[in-house]
Amino acid sequence: DTEVTQTPKHLVMGMTNKKSLKCEQHMGHRAMYWYKQKAKKPPELMFVYSYEKLSINESVPSRFSPECPNSSLLNLHLHALQPEDSALYLCASSQRLAEYNEQFFGPGTRLTVL
Amino acid sequence: GDSVTQMEGPVTLSEEAFLTINCTYTATGYPSLFWYVQYPGEGLQLLLKATKADDKGSNKGFEATYRKETTSFHLEKGSVQVSDSAVYFCALSAWGAQKLVFGQGTRLTINP
Repeated sequence: DTEVTQTPKHLVMGMTNKKSLKCEQHMGHRAMYWYKQKAKKPPELMFVYSYEKLSINESVPSRFSPECPNSSLLNLHLHALQPEDSALYLCASSQRLAEYNEQFFGPGTRLTVL
Repeated sequence: GDSVTQMEGPVTLSEEAFLTINCTYTATGYPSLFWYVQYPGEGLQLLLKATKADDKGSNKGFEATYRKETTSFHLEKGSVQVSDSAVYFCALSAWGAQKLVFGQGTRLTINP
Protein backbone atom coordinates (compact mmCIF):
# COMPACT_ATOMS: atom_id res chain seq x y z
CA ASP A 1 0.00 0.00 0.00
CA THR A 2 1.71 3.16 -1.23
CA GLU A 3 -1.14 5.56 -0.71
CA VAL A 4 -1.85 8.49 1.49
CA THR A 5 -5.59 8.93 1.91
CA GLN A 6 -7.40 12.07 2.99
CA THR A 7 -10.98 12.67 4.05
CA PRO A 8 -13.15 14.44 3.28
CA LYS A 9 -12.44 15.31 -0.35
CA HIS A 10 -14.41 18.55 -0.11
CA LEU A 11 -15.49 20.55 2.95
CA VAL A 12 -17.59 23.69 3.23
CA MET A 13 -17.75 25.34 6.63
CA GLY A 14 -18.88 28.55 8.24
CA MET A 15 -16.60 30.74 10.28
CA THR A 16 -18.09 29.50 13.55
CA ASN A 17 -17.90 25.79 12.73
CA LYS A 18 -15.50 23.19 14.09
CA LYS A 19 -14.38 20.51 11.68
CA SER A 20 -11.49 18.07 11.24
CA LEU A 21 -9.44 16.86 8.30
CA LYS A 22 -8.09 13.32 8.41
CA CYS A 23 -5.06 11.74 6.81
CA GLU A 24 -3.94 8.12 6.89
CA GLN A 25 -0.98 6.14 5.57
CA HIS A 26 -0.02 2.49 5.94
CA MET A 27 3.51 2.62 4.54
CA GLY A 28 5.17 2.56 7.96
CA HIS A 29 6.31 6.15 7.50
CA ARG A 30 7.28 8.00 10.68
CA ALA A 31 7.14 11.57 9.39
CA MET A 32 3.87 13.25 8.41
CA TYR A 33 3.16 16.72 7.11
CA TRP A 34 0.33 19.21 6.58
CA TYR A 35 0.51 21.68 3.71
CA LYS A 36 -1.79 24.45 2.53
CA GLN A 37 -1.98 25.19 -1.21
CA LYS A 38 -3.66 28.22 -2.72
CA ALA A 39 -4.57 28.29 -6.40
CA LYS A 40 -1.61 28.53 -8.79
CA LYS A 41 0.89 28.45 -5.90
CA PRO A 42 3.20 25.79 -4.51
CA PRO A 43 2.29 24.03 -1.27
CA GLU A 44 3.18 25.87 1.93
CA LEU A 45 4.31 23.79 4.87
CA MET A 46 2.18 24.11 8.01
CA PHE A 47 3.20 21.31 10.41
CA VAL A 48 5.60 18.39 10.57
CA TYR A 49 5.30 15.38 12.88
CA SER A 50 8.14 12.97 13.48
CA TYR A 51 7.50 9.78 15.48
CA GLU A 52 4.13 11.25 16.53
CA LYS A 53 5.73 14.36 18.00
CA LEU A 54 5.31 17.84 16.57
CA SER A 55 8.63 18.80 15.02
CA ILE A 56 7.81 21.94 13.04
CA ASN A 57 5.04 24.52 13.35
CA GLU A 58 5.49 27.15 10.66
CA SER A 59 3.89 29.91 12.75
CA VAL A 60 0.42 28.70 11.84
CA PRO A 61 -2.51 30.51 13.53
CA SER A 62 -4.00 28.66 16.50
CA ARG A 63 -7.31 28.19 14.68
CA PHE A 64 -5.48 25.25 13.03
CA SER A 65 -4.68 22.50 15.52
CA PRO A 66 -2.81 19.37 14.41
CA GLU A 67 -2.94 16.01 16.11
CA CYS A 68 -1.09 12.76 15.49
CA PRO A 69 -2.92 10.01 17.44
CA ASN A 70 -0.66 7.24 16.13
CA SER A 71 1.97 6.59 13.50
CA SER A 72 -0.59 6.08 10.72
CA LEU A 73 -2.99 8.94 11.38
CA LEU A 74 -2.77 12.70 11.20
CA ASN A 75 -5.62 15.08 11.91
CA LEU A 76 -6.04 18.80 11.41
CA HIS A 77 -8.68 20.38 13.63
CA LEU A 78 -10.25 23.57 12.33
CA HIS A 79 -12.05 26.21 14.39
CA ALA A 80 -13.14 29.78 13.71
CA LEU A 81 -11.56 29.87 10.27
CA GLN A 82 -11.55 32.88 7.99
CA PRO A 83 -12.54 33.00 4.30
CA GLU A 84 -8.86 33.44 3.38
CA ASP A 85 -8.21 29.97 4.83
CA SER A 86 -10.05 28.49 1.85
CA ALA A 87 -7.49 26.34 0.04
CA LEU A 88 -6.45 22.79 -0.81
CA TYR A 89 -5.02 21.09 2.29
CA LEU A 90 -2.51 18.38 1.51
CA CYS A 91 -1.17 15.69 3.77
CA ALA A 92 2.14 13.97 3.05
CA SER A 93 4.33 11.33 4.63
CA SER A 94 7.94 10.18 4.35
CA GLN A 95 9.94 7.32 5.79
CA ARG A 96 11.71 9.60 8.24
CA LEU A 97 12.78 13.21 8.48
CA ALA A 98 15.78 13.06 6.17
CA GLU A 99 16.66 15.19 3.22
CA TYR A 100 16.81 12.27 0.78
CA ASN A 101 13.42 10.87 1.73
CA GLU A 102 10.78 11.76 -0.79
CA GLN A 103 7.38 12.80 0.48
CA PHE A 104 4.23 10.99 -0.66
CA PHE A 105 1.21 13.26 -0.96
CA GLY A 106 -2.46 12.56 -0.54
CA PRO A 107 -5.12 13.90 -2.95
CA GLY A 108 -6.01 16.77 -0.63
CA THR A 109 -9.12 18.23 0.97
CA ARG A 110 -10.62 21.22 -0.85
CA LEU A 111 -11.79 23.55 1.95
CA THR A 112 -14.18 26.45 1.44
CA VAL A 113 -14.84 28.83 4.35
CA LEU A 114 -17.97 30.92 4.00
CA GLY B 1 18.17 30.85 2.63
CA ASP B 2 17.44 27.90 0.41
CA SER B 3 15.43 28.61 -2.72
CA VAL B 4 14.31 27.12 -6.03
CA THR B 5 13.70 29.07 -9.22
CA GLN B 6 11.70 27.56 -12.07
CA MET B 7 11.06 28.91 -15.52
CA GLU B 8 7.85 30.85 -15.62
CA GLY B 9 4.90 29.33 -17.38
CA PRO B 10 2.56 28.63 -18.75
CA VAL B 11 4.28 26.45 -21.32
CA THR B 12 2.24 25.24 -24.30
CA LEU B 13 3.56 22.60 -26.67
CA SER B 14 2.25 20.34 -29.38
CA GLU B 15 2.12 16.59 -28.89
CA GLU B 16 5.47 14.84 -29.56
CA ALA B 17 7.46 18.04 -28.98
CA PHE B 18 10.61 18.11 -26.83
CA LEU B 19 10.14 19.49 -23.34
CA THR B 20 12.56 21.33 -21.09
CA ILE B 21 11.52 22.99 -17.83
CA ASN B 22 14.41 24.83 -16.21
CA CYS B 23 15.08 24.64 -12.49
CA THR B 24 17.96 26.21 -10.57
CA TYR B 25 18.53 26.21 -6.86
CA THR B 26 20.38 27.92 -4.03
CA ALA B 27 21.20 25.83 -0.98
CA THR B 28 23.87 25.26 1.61
CA GLY B 29 25.54 21.88 1.49
CA TYR B 30 24.33 19.17 -0.82
CA PRO B 31 20.56 19.11 -1.16
CA SER B 32 18.40 16.34 -2.56
CA LEU B 33 16.40 17.44 -5.60
CA PHE B 34 12.92 16.42 -6.69
CA TRP B 35 10.39 16.97 -9.45
CA TYR B 36 6.74 16.66 -8.48
CA VAL B 37 3.76 16.72 -10.84
CA GLN B 38 0.23 17.85 -9.98
CA TYR B 39 -2.59 16.88 -12.32
CA PRO B 40 -5.78 18.96 -12.20
CA GLY B 41 -7.76 18.41 -9.01
CA GLU B 42 -5.16 16.09 -7.49
CA GLY B 43 -2.33 16.08 -4.97
CA LEU B 44 1.35 16.04 -5.85
CA GLN B 45 3.05 12.94 -7.21
CA LEU B 46 6.78 12.40 -7.08
CA LEU B 47 8.03 12.23 -10.67
CA LEU B 48 11.75 11.72 -10.06
CA LYS B 49 14.55 12.52 -7.66
CA ALA B 50 18.34 12.80 -7.38
CA THR B 51 20.27 12.80 -4.14
CA LYS B 52 23.83 13.61 -5.21
CA ALA B 53 25.74 15.44 -7.90
CA ASP B 54 25.64 13.88 -11.40
CA ASP B 55 22.76 11.59 -10.43
CA LYS B 56 20.14 11.26 -13.15
CA GLY B 57 16.55 10.71 -12.08
CA SER B 58 14.14 9.24 -14.62
CA ASN B 59 10.54 8.10 -14.75
CA LYS B 60 7.80 7.83 -17.39
CA GLY B 61 10.12 9.21 -20.07
CA PHE B 62 11.09 12.25 -17.98
CA GLU B 63 14.71 12.84 -16.98
CA ALA B 64 16.65 15.34 -14.89
CA THR B 65 20.34 15.45 -14.00
CA TYR B 66 21.69 16.96 -10.78
CA ARG B 67 24.30 19.51 -11.93
CA LYS B 68 26.23 20.87 -8.96
CA GLU B 69 28.44 23.15 -11.07
CA THR B 70 25.44 25.00 -12.49
CA THR B 71 23.13 24.36 -9.49
CA SER B 72 20.48 23.09 -11.87
CA PHE B 73 18.02 20.21 -12.18
CA HIS B 74 16.26 20.77 -15.51
CA LEU B 75 13.37 18.48 -16.43
CA GLU B 76 13.33 17.01 -19.96
CA LYS B 77 11.16 14.69 -22.01
CA GLY B 78 11.80 13.73 -25.60
CA SER B 79 8.20 13.46 -26.81
CA VAL B 80 5.34 14.85 -24.75
CA GLN B 81 1.78 13.59 -24.73
CA VAL B 82 -1.53 15.31 -24.02
CA SER B 83 -1.65 13.35 -20.75
CA ASP B 84 1.50 15.18 -19.57
CA SER B 85 -0.53 18.38 -19.17
CA ALA B 86 -0.13 19.32 -15.50
CA VAL B 87 1.75 21.62 -13.14
CA TYR B 88 5.35 20.65 -12.47
CA PHE B 89 7.16 21.63 -9.25
CA CYS B 90 10.90 21.49 -8.71
CA ALA B 91 11.84 21.09 -5.04
CA LEU B 92 14.85 20.65 -2.82
CA SER B 93 15.49 19.26 0.61
CA ALA B 94 18.61 20.75 2.10
CA TRP B 95 21.12 18.83 4.17
CA GLY B 96 19.91 18.59 7.75
CA ALA B 97 16.63 20.32 6.92
CA GLN B 98 13.25 18.86 7.67
CA LYS B 99 11.22 20.30 4.85
CA LEU B 100 10.89 20.68 1.11
CA VAL B 101 11.48 24.02 -0.58
CA PHE B 102 9.35 24.31 -3.73
CA GLY B 103 9.72 26.37 -6.85
CA GLN B 104 6.71 28.34 -8.03
CA GLY B 105 5.54 25.63 -10.42
CA THR B 106 5.29 25.53 -14.21
CA ARG B 107 1.95 24.89 -15.86
CA LEU B 108 2.36 22.71 -18.95
CA THR B 109 -0.34 22.31 -21.60
CA ILE B 110 0.09 19.86 -24.46
CA ASN B 111 -2.15 20.31 -27.49
CA PRO B 112 -3.03 17.37 -29.77
